[in-house]
Amino acid sequence: GQQLNQSPQSMFIQEGEDVSMNCTSSSIFNTWLWYKQDPGEGPVLLIALYKAGELTSNGRLTAQFGITRKDSFLNISASIPSDVGIYFCAGQGGSNYKLTFGKGTLLTVNP
Amino acid sequence: NAGVTQTPKFQVLKTGQSMTLQCAQDMNHEYMSWYRQDPGMGLRLIHYSVGAGITDQGEVPNGYNVSRSTTEDFPLRLLSAAPSQTSVYFCASSYKGQPQHFGDGTRLSIL
Repeated sequence: GQQLNQSPQSMFIQEGEDVSMNCTSSSIFNTWLWYKQDPGEGPVLLIALYKAGELTSNGRLTAQFGITRKDSFLNISASIPSDVGIYFCAGQGGSNYKLTFGKGTLLTVNP
Repeated sequence: NAGVTQTPKFQVLKTGQSMTLQCAQDMNHEYMSWYRQDPGMGLRLIHYSVGAGITDQGEVPNGYNVSRSTTEDFPLRLLSAAPSQTSVYFCASSYKGQPQHFGDGTRLSIL
């Protein structure tokens, strides 16, 4: 089946630093999604990307849909303590609804 | 608008017991799905449904049953619980082509 490689697995940064994480796939996706999960809660959608090459921002977050349709990255600028959590990428291919998730990036921000 | 509601939030079972995890959404979404989340494994798809009366298997369906008698509800059944089914279970829903919305999860322990 489809597999997503998400890196890094974890990051420990100082408040104010910028963060970058990415996902690569062995298959082409039509949609890339980035979710954040806080402890004890379900994943919450951050950014959705629908077109190869698309660059989309949501506040301090910026994500891009790779031109090959096999990768995506998420940047967080000027990190703050509430950015702590697990970030997941997810890809959706073809006409079906199914998502394939990366294994997540655990972000820790030191105040 | 309650979104995706999962019950119970926590459950402890003995090996061999059966139980049903409930999921309900009030957004009239045609697509609903169940995932399990295990440390280091990300979210893995168990079963999904593209509409009332239609269900299909995901990546890890063994040991789980589902049904979709209404648009709103998508229960997940464990017929004979096993310790390997200890996990956090998430339900999600969406319109076709739209990002999935997640519930807050059910934390299940099998002793």
